[in-house]
Amino acid sequence: AQTVTQSQPEMSVQEAETVTLSCTYDTSESDYYLFWYKQPPSRQMILVIRQEAYKQQNATENRFSVNFQKAAKSFSLKISDSQLGDAAMYFCAGGLTGGGNKLTFGTGTQLKVEL
Amino acid sequence: DVKVTQSSRYLVKRTGEKVFLECVQDMDHENMFWYRQDPGLGLRLIYFSYDVKMKEKGDIPEGYSVSREKKERFSLILESASTNQTSMYLCATILWAGTTEAFFGQGTRLTVV
Repeated sequence: AQTVTQSQPEMSVQEAETVTLSCTYDTSESDYYLFWYKQPPSRQMILVIRQEAYKQQNATENRFSVNFQKAAKSFSLKISDSQLGDAAMYFCAGGLTGGGNKLTFGTGTQLKVEL
Repeated sequence: DVKVTQSSRYLVKRTGEKVFLECVQDMDHENMFWYRQDPGLGLRLIYFSYDVKMKEKGDIPEGYSVSREKKERFSLILESASTNQTSMYLCATILWAGTTEAFFGQGTRLTVV
């Protein structure tokens, strides 16, 4: 079984500052994907960033980057130069590669961006 | 772009009614999922399907069933709706290969009165 844990229900950040959201993904398997999804008030889920477990290099997408520590089962999301539009619910998710596997989500972190 | 369409954005049903939530995807993906989203609980998996007529229970299948007669359509059925099934329901599809990414519908907010 796989479990995804997000221990921060809410986080706040000042505009232009950096914030890190935490996530742990517990599995005994070695081949899997991890994701961060953003859900703004519109409710539409938007992919922020994706990491393949076998890749050593941490994924980066513009102002968003991850710190993937496989042994520690840690997958944190760093948002640099935070903008008002980053305010949303952020979900961490993971799943084993290959058809027939489920995608498991954490409980989410509500990010507030303050002026 | 992949499109995942849920039949209703808002739905109000009475206790005891049989409720169908429909989801259609246009990218020929094998894997489809139904989640329920509640404040503080995140997205919880109800059922998923990896092929036509194939289904697997998720973490909270009680009170729900699903149907997948065609590859593009995955239906969630509440056999006898109850007030504790008032929630947001999200459908998703994923291809576990290449640029792996899950695509979501816009969500259905179901209220059972």
